[in-house]
Amino acid sequence: QVQLQESGPGLVKPSETLSLTCTVSGGSISSYYWSWIRQPAGKGLEWIGRIYTSGSTNYNPSLKSRVTMSVDTSKNQFSLKLSSVTAADTAVYYCARVSFGVATNWFDPWGQGTLVTVSS
Amino acid sequence: SSELTQDPAVSVALGQTVRITCQGDSLRSYYASWYQQKPGQAPVLVIYGKNNRPSGIPDRFSGSSSGNTASLTITGAQAEDEADYYCNSRDSSGNHNWVFGGGTKLTVL
Repeated sequence: QVQLQESGPGLVKPSETLSLTCTVSGGSISSYYWSWIRQPAGKGLEWIGRIYTSGSTNYNPSLKSRVTMSVDTSKNQFSLKLSSVTAADTAVYYCARVSFGVATNWFDPWGQGTLVTVSS
Repeated sequence: SSELTQDPAVSVALGQTVRITCQGDSLRSYYASWYQQKPGQAPVLVIYGKNNRPSGIPDRFSGSSSGNTASLTITGAQAEDEADYYCNSRDSSGNHNWVFGGGTKLTVL
């Protein structure tokens, strides 16, 4: 079955750019939407945005000015960049595949998550 | 604050039925999906659409919707159901963005 794996630096300095990659295995990245979701320690889930394999994106309005997502179908990967990070961006970052139905969407499967800490 | 509102905590006696709710304007026209998250683990999809369970999710989990409220019901709660539960749906902006509820901590007594 499809599996997702996040990768990237676990420590990022304040004001710098957080960069993560999600590698999809066991299936093709094509013809699906893919999302990034984060969770600060002890808090709830926050949807960051989504990307289609054509490159079309939608971002959470609260993060839109700092987020860039991209996709590399040749590598079966998609990526997240979050600029000008602060301590408030410290969180576990998850990638997930998006599916759609009639008047609904869902995230499945999810990656295991990767902790990114913003600290000098 | 989230556009989807969940009770922070709910408890249920072992073997009894519990309903976890999610309120939001977008739920009048869009179904919620529900996720179970145990400590240190990634969320797992348990219900999507009108009332659909992914393969491997026990049939004691069910979903329903009425007005601006979506519900996740666990009929005959088991100890292993103790977890955080999150709902997800569209936001109310009309821009096809998504939002999660704040989560409900379920304790099985």
